[in-house]
Amino acid sequence: DTEVTQTPKHLVMGMTNKKSLKCEQHMGHRAMYWYKQKAKKPPELMFVYSYEKLSINESVPSRFSPECPNSSLLNLHLHALQPEDSALYLCASRGGRGAFFGQGTRLTVV
Amino acid sequence: GENVEQHPSTLSVQEGDSAVIKCTYSDSASNYFPWYKQELGKRPQLIIDIRSNVGEKKDQRIAVTLNKTAKHFSLHITETQPEDSAVYFCAASSPLYNQGGKLIFGQGTELSVKP
Repeated sequence: DTEVTQTPKHLVMGMTNKKSLKCEQHMGHRAMYWYKQKAKKPPELMFVYSYEKLSINESVPSRFSPECPNSSLLNLHLHALQPEDSALYLCASRGGRGAFFGQGTRLTVV
Repeated sequence: GENVEQHPSTLSVQEGDSAVIKCTYSDSASNYFPWYKQELGKRPQLIIDIRSNVGEKKDQRIAVTLNKTAKHFSLHITETQPEDSAVYFCAASSPLYNQGGKLIFGQGTELSVKP
């Protein structure tokens, strides 16, 4: 099983809303990632969690707040986003068998 | 900082021909090199990967080569088929024990296989 599951698949939110993206994996991977992807661009690293601790923050604005409640779950809390934050948000996890991506959340900020 | 360069940005081949995509990386600590295929509106799908202690790996029509000295790695697709058409990304990552490994992507290659 190489499944990484993300919810929701689509999200439309206003600039004053608070929402959360969720990611789950049951491969026993201890490294989990959030990426942002714009159309026709590569995934851009946002955060890395290693053993449930935030290890890398790629200078992401504070309106994005990651959380790792346990070794299988990763959340991304969103608050006061801007229209330019509209993108595909991808979660990934990595272990001995490789690095695998979830199907992503297509986020639109209006 | 870490950087991955990928070429070409677009590649058009006839069905049955081979396709080669090349990447270079800057971080000498990188030890994991995956390749992803991404179809429109879908997730990046891991198609093959190679680790720094291996020079070549093959899986049916797909092969990857790694030259650690030159910091180059390449994807080779033989006997291409129209369903191989997609955007392909290379990536390089530092070891997992190093803050969980920083997986950095190349800019992508849009492969078009014409019937």
